[in-house]
Amino acid sequence: SYELTQPPSVSVSPGQTARITCSGDALPKKYAYWYQQKSGQAPVLVIYEDIKRPSGIPERFSGSSSGTMATLTISGAQVEDEADYYCFSTDSSGDHVVFGGGTKLTVL
Amino acid sequence: EVQLVESGGGLVQPGRSLRLSCAASGFTFDDYAMHWVRQGPGKGLEWVSGISWNSGRIGYADSVKGRFTISRDNAKNSLYLQMNSLRPEDTALYYCAKAIYSSANSSIDYWGQGALVIVSS
Repeated sequence: SYELTQPPSVSVSPGQTARITCSGDALPKKYAYWYQQKSGQAPVLVIYEDIKRPSGIPERFSGSSSGTMATLTISGAQVEDEADYYCFSTDSSGDHVVFGGGTKLTVL
Repeated sequence: EVQLVESGGGLVQPGRSLRLSCAASGFTFDDYAMHWVRQGPGKGLEWVSGISWNSGRIGYADSVKGRFTISRDNAKNSLYLQMNSLRPEDTALYYCAKAIYSSANSSIDYWGQGALVIVSS
């Protein structure tokens, strides 16, 4: 079965840049999507189709993708950005939909 | 405003069945695919199943294939998940989610608040 691999945790100080990676064999051909989930809340889409930002998402959130790795970047991370972040994509056939294991971002 | 409201969760014994429902509003339901995603206690998100706008294409995670059935009623703006032969490892918060596009494998842009399913004797 297809897998997306994320680091379990990332930690930065307020104002620093946080980078969360997601690796998968099909990412050169398939888009990555990123979700933020704060404690006790439903997930929120923060990046779609590798680089696009939904309305209402702060500009400090950006996405990129190169080869088999997609990256979510939070420039000038704030305390309120502390959350679990999940990437989402499909395998090369499009038949298998999968989330990454999630990355806990700590900002302190 | 997009609203997704799940119902039907609860405590059920292993081996029994449960049916989740999701009432959708605030968008043209039959234009979009829909998904069920679950999250076990203290665990990450797990995609469970997706259905295209017209039910023509359906997908399941390997962990639920053959036990769970997704369906939708576009006339009622509703999504369903029939869960049979439930196991303790199916214990989770089950989210109903709206897809960005009409195909069953397209990503998600809106989520409900979830329905809790507990499988225990």
